[in-house]
Amino acid sequence: DTGVSQDPRHKITKRGQNVTFRCDPISEHNRLYWYRQTLGQGPEFLTYFQNEAQLEKSRLLSDRFSAERPKGSFSTLEIQRTEQGDSAMYLCASSLGEWGYNEQFFGPGTRLTVL
Amino acid sequence: AQKVTQAQTEISVVEKEDVTLDCVYETRDTTYYLFWYKQPPSGELVFLIRRNSFDEQNEISGRYSWNFQKSTSSFNFTITASQVVDSAVYFCALSGSGNTGKLIFGQGTTLQVKP
Repeated sequence: DTGVSQDPRHKITKRGQNVTFRCDPISEHNRLYWYRQTLGQGPEFLTYFQNEAQLEKSRLLSDRFSAERPKGSFSTLEIQRTEQGDSAMYLCASSLGEWGYNEQFFGPGTRLTVL
Repeated sequence: AQKVTQAQTEISVVEKEDVTLDCVYETRDTTYYLFWYKQPPSGELVFLIRRNSFDEQNEISGRYSWNFQKSTSSFNFTITASQVVDSAVYFCALSGSGNTGKLIFGQGTTLQVKP
């Protein structure tokens, strides 16, 4: 059974460029989460999907950020017009079940560096 | 507002010492869940334990034990006879009664176990 995978693992981009990250959750996990982690801090919640529906977005998620989960499988997180402040590790997690308290399995993350 | 505080930024111990990582949380929910995750140098968050607000029983798993005290809003984690492989960043997290399951993380405690 494979775990959560994320692609790419590292991304370096110039300020103003658009970037897109992909997350493949554990097969059959209906819940998918995106978090952002900056150096020396704990992960911060960005958004959450149950199947294909995006049910909650953090205020951290400005209008430059968009996430999708077509068909309730993999998810993409796009950042438009990147800024240096977007530099962080972007983590994806998935869980199974109808309730929110179930264990979340995390992927290895995508480290974004904006020059 | 929900908040998790891990006051210890870094702890350094010598192998075989016992070490306790502190976690204090704030929430107005009567039903909530507390978690501990480990983030080794490889970066991937690993689930260690979940505890719900109605279960104050302490738990022991091998060299790991957890002490949950609602009266002091604390959920502390003890590693007995620490080993070099325990070196990692440890995060305490809180999930409230809403069904999203989003995790509110503390800032993390970096544990270094020296041989």
